[in-house]
Order: sequence, then structure tokens, then C-alpha cells
Amino acid sequence: QKEVEQNSGPLSVPEGAIASLNCTYSDRGSQSFFWYRQYSGKSPELIMSIYSNGDKEDGRFTAQLNKASQYVSLLIRDSQPSDSATYLCAVKTSGTYKYIFGTGTRLKVLA
Amino acid sequence: EPEVTQTPSHQVTQMGQEVILRCVPISNHLYFYWYRQILGQKVEFLVSFYNNEISEKSEIFDDQFSVERPDGSNFTLKIRSTKLEDSAMYFCASSRTLNTEAFFGQGTRLTVV
Repeated sequence: QKEVEQNSGPLSVPEGAIASLNCTYSDRGSQSFFWYRQYSGKSPELIMSIYSNGDKEDGRFTAQLNKASQYVSLLIRDSQPSDSATYLCAVKTSGTYKYIFGTGTRLKVLA
Repeated sequence: EPEVTQTPSHQVTQMGQEVILRCVPISNHLYFYWYRQILGQKVEFLVSFYNNEISEKSEIFDDQFSVERPDGSNFTLKIRSTKLEDSAMYFCASSRTLNTEAFFGQGTRLTVV
């Protein structure tokens, strides 16, 4: 069973639309959750972190966490072509010293 | 804004040679990490380092790999005898605490020929 799962995409949305990216994780001991953006050939860039159930908003980004369903999502409002990238979900489990990454979802925002 | 810096940005080496990848983590961070990403694949954990010792390592991190914090600022990854399959992007990251966000350097592209 994969530890962190994401749909690889590509997810195509028109400019100005809401992009919804999803991530599930297998370890119920997971306690910290992160979304990163990665442009081709570049390093992961932190977008948001979320630690408790519910929604967390930062500008055009909203992260949602549901620990009971072991599910994390990222909403991007008013999507722009510059948002086109691969979005990585990362999870940190209590008692470990590593962040586990999903394979990433490739997002394409069409102008 | 503080950032993680890595050198070199690109390294080409012959199979069997030793390489050292260098990183300067963010200054007030306590936890340091190395990850790698083979082209087109996921970001994979290699090793974490805290309080001058390895805190966790993956199956990938075998005897050919080692890490060191030679002084108060640098954090290095050494690959003793490189193989073709070591060709990848290597990312250094650091975090202030165990469970807060990790920040990544820009990466070193290692090409083994």
C-alpha cells in the first residue's frame, strides 16, 4: 500500500477556475501535512502546511485536512497559467524523521 | 529571506568516482535532510540528520553514502563510488523543528557517465 497517494494527472483547468488537488495517506499516526509546488527541473517550493482538521486559507490557496478519512486537499482559486506545475503532497508521521512525498499531480492552467 | 543553498548546481562525474554534494541549511534550523529525485519520478527520502548524527535513513542510503556536518554551517552528502543509477537531482532540506515545514535547496543535478 502506497504511503501517500496522488492522482498523477494532468489536471487541466481553464484560467480563472478553481483547481482541486487531492491526496490520501495510509498512516493514521501522520500529524503534519504539506503542499509543495514543483516546476519542471526545480526544487519543491512550500505552499502551505496544515496540522489540524478543517480548512486553512492563504491567499488563493486553501488546504483542507480530514484525519478521519486520511485525506488532504489543496484548492487553488482564480487559477493562473503560472500555477501550471506539479503539486506534491508531503506527510510527516509522529516519531519519524522524514517527510514522505506523493508522486505529485501535474496541473495545467489553460489560458 | 533565509534559504537553503546547495553547491554545485550541476555535477558530472565518471562511474566509480567519489562526489561530495554541499548544502548550507537555514541558520536556525536543527533538522537536515537529503532527498533525491530521479528524472520523472517522485521525491525520495535518503537521510535525516539531527544533533550531529543520523536520525533516520532509507534503504537507498547504503554504505556508499555518508553525511557529515563538518562545521557549524555546512551539511554534506558523499557518494563514495558512483553508479549510473545514482544520476538524479539531489535536494537538501532543513526544518526548524521535527514536525514543521521543510525548506528545500535548489538542488544538485548529478550526472554519472
